[in-house]
Amino acid sequence: QITLKESGPTLVKPTQTLTLTCTFSGFSLSTNGVGVGWIRQPPGKALEWLALIYWNDDKRYSPSLKSRLTITKDTSKNQVVLTMTNMDPVDTATYYCAHRPPSGWFNFDYWGQGTLVTVSS
Amino acid sequence: QSALTQPRSVSGSPGQSVTISCTGTSSDVGGYNYVSWYQQHPGKAPKLMIYDVSKRPSGVPDRFSGSKSGNTASLTISGLQAEDEADYYCCSYAGSYTLGVFGGGTKLTVL
Repeated sequence: QITLKESGPTLVKPTQTLTLTCTFSGFSLSTNGVGVGWIRQPPGKALEWLALIYWNDDKRYSPSLKSRLTITKDTSKNQVVLTMTNMDPVDTATYYCAHRPPSGWFNFDYWGQGTLVTVSS
Repeated sequence: QSALTQPRSVSGSPGQSVTISCTGTSSDVGGYNYVSWYQQHPGKAPKLMIYDVSKRPSGVPDRFSGSKSGNTASLTISGLQAEDEADYYCCSYAGSYTLGVFGGGTKLTVL
């Protein structure tokens, strides 16, 4: 059974750096083809893909946010960490991590519950 | 503005069929057979309903089907049920640089 759970601050100030952790179980990020992605959703708005890390440590970022994002993995801890620099109120959103299956190109079959991050002074 | 265009809302009565469109370009929807669809109920995480244009994950009812023609993908829900009322998002692979894009979402109302 695959589960994922996001953790991190619920409130950050403008210009600060956000660090979110995705802790997962039921799969290994060292398995060929597996990936973990981050997707966010501002209140009342659409989903937006942010970053994806693969089993082989290949990392991909949304072109529009690439300069602000870093994704890393700790396979031994079953964790993926996303950092986003220079936070702004427009970055207020629910942040999800999700499992990318080995057979998938860009789809996510298991999602965490999401964590709401508010950016405000 | 989202990369993929979806109608903001659609509606249908129980038992009817509805189709949600998702229009992209030759760089995403039209260029690859890697369109997926997600269902999202209020306050919940998205759920994968269709992947690779028309494949259903285990446990998804066969009332949900996907197709694609040119730069437009479609999700069809037949035999509408009250529990189908939700937001639906399409998503497409968009090449090794952009990787993937989501649609703006469609609110399905079951009348």
